[in-house]
Amino acid sequence: SQTIHQWPATLVQPVGSPLSLECTVEGTSNPNLYWYRQAAGRGLQLLFYSVGIGQISSEVPQNLSASRPQDRQFILSSKKLLLSDSGFYLCAWSGLAEGAGELFFGEGSRLTVL
Amino acid sequence: GENVEQHPSTLSVQEGDSAVIKCTYSDSASNYFPWYKQELGKRPQLIIDIRSNVGEKKDQRIAVTLNKTAKHFSLHITETQPEDSAVYFCAAFDLYSGAGSYQLTFGKGTKLSVIP
Repeated sequence: SQTIHQWPATLVQPVGSPLSLECTVEGTSNPNLYWYRQAAGRGLQLLFYSVGIGQISSEVPQNLSASRPQDRQFILSSKKLLLSDSGFYLCAWSGLAEGAGELFFGEGSRLTVL
Repeated sequence: GENVEQHPSTLSVQEGDSAVIKCTYSDSASNYFPWYKQELGKRPQLIIDIRSNVGEKKDQRIAVTLNKTAKHFSLHITETQPEDSAVYFCAAFDLYSGAGSYQLTFGKGTKLSVIP
């Protein structure tokens, strides 16, 4: 069966520090991969998605970046964090085949920038 | 692109009563409408979905209805229980827009509180 893991689960970082969140998927190949951010009490904002290794699409301008160095690995990074980067970050995957609609989310990473 | 509006943003019901959450979408090409439930501090999980070739789908106490003409769909929870308390998100998508990628457009969420 397919599983998705992301880490770390909780992170407290000072303003201006770097960030690296990692997500891996097991049990499937060539998944679509996504990073979402959820600010406190708010909805799901799509940050990045990827349809293959090295292929990244950004949905919103920001100081975050994403990379997909391997088929089932998706990384969210920042060189210098801002206070507004605080939030709950969710990695997700979906199947490649047309008609495969369900998104499977990771456990989430809660980032607090102080 | 697709725009999904969801309301209400918060909803409180007494245990045992029904809860209804409504969403509208803008893109007539959308043909897949999932609902996700997110408990506090946890990941969203799919609870039910509907495709545009049907008007209603039920799964025990949960049902979803779709009106393609009016471009709206609703989640119905009957006999609510405290464990139904969570944030619910609707979404809309064209499943057949092209191989290789899709961007699920989510509503902003409804915080449901079931009062014992």
